Amino acid sequence: SQQGEEDPQALSIQEGENATMNCSYKTSINNLQWYRQNSGRGLVHLILIRSNEREKHSGRLRVTLDTSKKSSSLLITASRAADTASYFCATPGPGSARQLTFGSGTQLTVLP
Amino acid sequence: DGGITQSPKYLFRKEGQNVTLSCEQNLNHDAMYWYRQDPGQGLRLIYYSQIVNDFQKGDIAEGYSVSREKKESFPLTVTSAQKNPTAFYLCASSIASGGDAYAQYFGPGTRLTVL
Repeated sequence: SQQGEEDPQALSIQEGENATMNCSYKTSINNLQWYRQNSGRGLVHLILIRSNEREKHSGRLRVTLDTSKKSSSLLITASRAADTASYFCATPGPGSARQLTFGSGTQLTVLP
Repeated sequence: DGGITQSPKYLFRKEGQNVTLSCEQNLNHDAMYWYRQDPGQGLRLIYYSQIVNDFQKGDIAEGYSVSREKKESFPLTVTSAQKNPTAFYLCASSIASGGDAYAQYFGPGTRLTVL
């Protein structure tokens, strides 16, 4: 099944810096989603970007999608200690558009 | 206050026992999902249901069973046939209209440990 893979696996930055995470996937998709997971908790939906969109913003988040390179990036600007979490990209699964396949995530640590 | 609840938060099971994890939502979502997460890994889909009384196997359904008798509830049973059940289990729900994709809303998870 197609799967997004995040890069890097782990990222450590200072508060106030920007954090960039990348996701690559294997086959054509019509949308891609990003989620955040705080340690030991459920996932929280951040943003959904469709294949006809190149860039989308939500607060301090900026997501890009390059369908020709089969990749997406998540940029968090002016990071805060509270942004420390794992970030996952998710692509539509083989069964239906609503079935999601998740990558293994990027662990972001923001140091105060 | 809308959302998804899972219970219990922690569950301990002896080998050979079946256990049932609860998942309830009051978001009026048609679709519900069960995922398994192992340490340092992403989520793997166990089962999903797009409508009451209907459900489909995901990537790792062996050793698990589900039911969907009510729109609000999607319990997961981890049977003794599941060889390595120790994991973090997450339930989610989403809108299920048309063929489009929608955000999934997740519960807080149940951590299952087999003793």
